[in-house]
Amino acid sequence: GAVVSQHPSRVICKSGTSVKIECRSLDFQATTMFWYRQFPKQSLMLMATSNEGSKATYEQGVEKDKFLINHASLTLSTLTVTSAHPEDSSFYICSARWGANTEAFFGQGTRLTVV
Amino acid sequence: KQEVTQIPAALSVPEGENLVLNCSFTDSAIYNLQWFRQDPGKGLTSLLLIQSSQREQTSGRLNASLDKSSGRSTLYIAASQPGDSATYLCAILGGSQGNLIFGKGTKLSVKP
Repeated sequence: GAVVSQHPSRVICKSGTSVKIECRSLDFQATTMFWYRQFPKQSLMLMATSNEGSKATYEQGVEKDKFLINHASLTLSTLTVTSAHPEDSSFYICSARWGANTEAFFGQGTRLTVV
Repeated sequence: KQEVTQIPAALSVPEGENLVLNCSFTDSAIYNLQWFRQDPGKGLTSLLLIQSSQREQTSGRLNASLDKSSGRSTLYIAASQPGDSATYLCAILGGSQGNLIFGKGTKLSVKP
């Protein structure tokens, strides 16, 4: 299957700082990328959908000024957690696909810990 | 609003057993259904994708079926191995959303 690379896999940051997470599609052009958050023993909750070259669409309850998403190219999307707080600690996973109803491929996830 | 339910939440079987994981969904207007595997602290690995027009897909020891009219899918794992231990997630790509809707998963443990 296609490969989606997410970096970093783990990050620890101090409260109040910002963290950037990268998601790259390595062998295909991703017209759409998704960002999910996963709490322990819970399923994935969609945070936002981003299409290359346009603004991300955020799910209800997700603060767009806190979770900045950029999808500047067909192979890269970034999620920046601004002014991180301990409650932002979670597992963040990105997903990408090349067409509207095609198979979705996921990154390895990023474990964010805010101390 | 599409809701996806997976039963059981957890399953423990001895090595070699055949097993079935269940997934049900409330809205039959779907584009496709995907089964994923997630190892602890890791991302998702796509196992099988079934388009709405298909009834089943097979890959190695895995077979997934889809019955849209009843809102159900099953993932059949033959001759289970300890390496199959993981959480299995079912996800629906629905008609009104562009994103996948996930179930909570079934945590499978295969004992040697």
